[in-house]
Amino acid sequence: QVQLVESGGGVVQPGRSLRLSCAASGFTFSNYAIHWVRQAPGKGLEWVAVISYDGGNKYYADSVKGRFTISRDNPKNTLYLQVNSLRVEDTAMYYCAKGWELLQQWGQGTLVTVSS
Amino acid sequence: QLVLTQSPSASASLGASVKLTCTLSSGHSSSAIAWLQQQPEKGPRYLMKVNNDGSHNKGDGIPDRFSGSSSGAERYLTISSLQSEDEGDYYCQTWGTGIRVFGGGTKLTVL
Repeated sequence: QVQLVESGGGVVQPGRSLRLSCAASGFTFSNYAIHWVRQAPGKGLEWVAVISYDGGNKYYADSVKGRFTISRDNPKNTLYLQVNSLRVEDTAMYYCAKGWELLQQWGQGTLVTVSS
Repeated sequence: QLVLTQSPSASASLGASVKLTCTLSSGHSSSAIAWLQQQPEKGPRYLMKVNNDGSHNKGDGIPDRFSGSSSGAERYLTISSLQSEDEGDYYCQTWGTGIRVFGGGTKLTVL
């Protein structure tokens, strides 16, 4: 079955960087767009970024544009999110989700905490 | 601007029905949306897509108790025969060129 497993989260100081990963299995990874979505503690879902099936198209939320970079390695069935210049307000659970318009399968998330 | 509006909370009794609403912003009233469920301490789960004409396409394994409908700029999720495991947060989601948007979510309490 479809499985998406996020990793790479942790506690980091403001201004530092992290790289999040999303390992996919159970489907042909190279055929599907994948998103990053985050959820601050006690808050709703916030779309972060999407990358097309071949990596040729990438879109970002205004709140992360210029600081976050989405990428993928299709032979490794893995999605990435490079997060730079982290702010306290970036503290959230980060989920990857499969699909272009419809986010039809989701992982369980990896928690990023930005704190001094 | 593409915005989805949801009521913050709803409640209904065990075994009853509840209808949740998601309202599309002006100029986007013909857009389709998706409904997602998030049970406590879990990742979101895709429930269904609801089209402008009220037709809906459910995800794999979603029970018949869940259905979608539409009227004007409003998109609905109806859950019948409420069970305790239906308690949680429900989000609507839509899309535009280069953007994806979530509603603020409705917290459903099963009494």
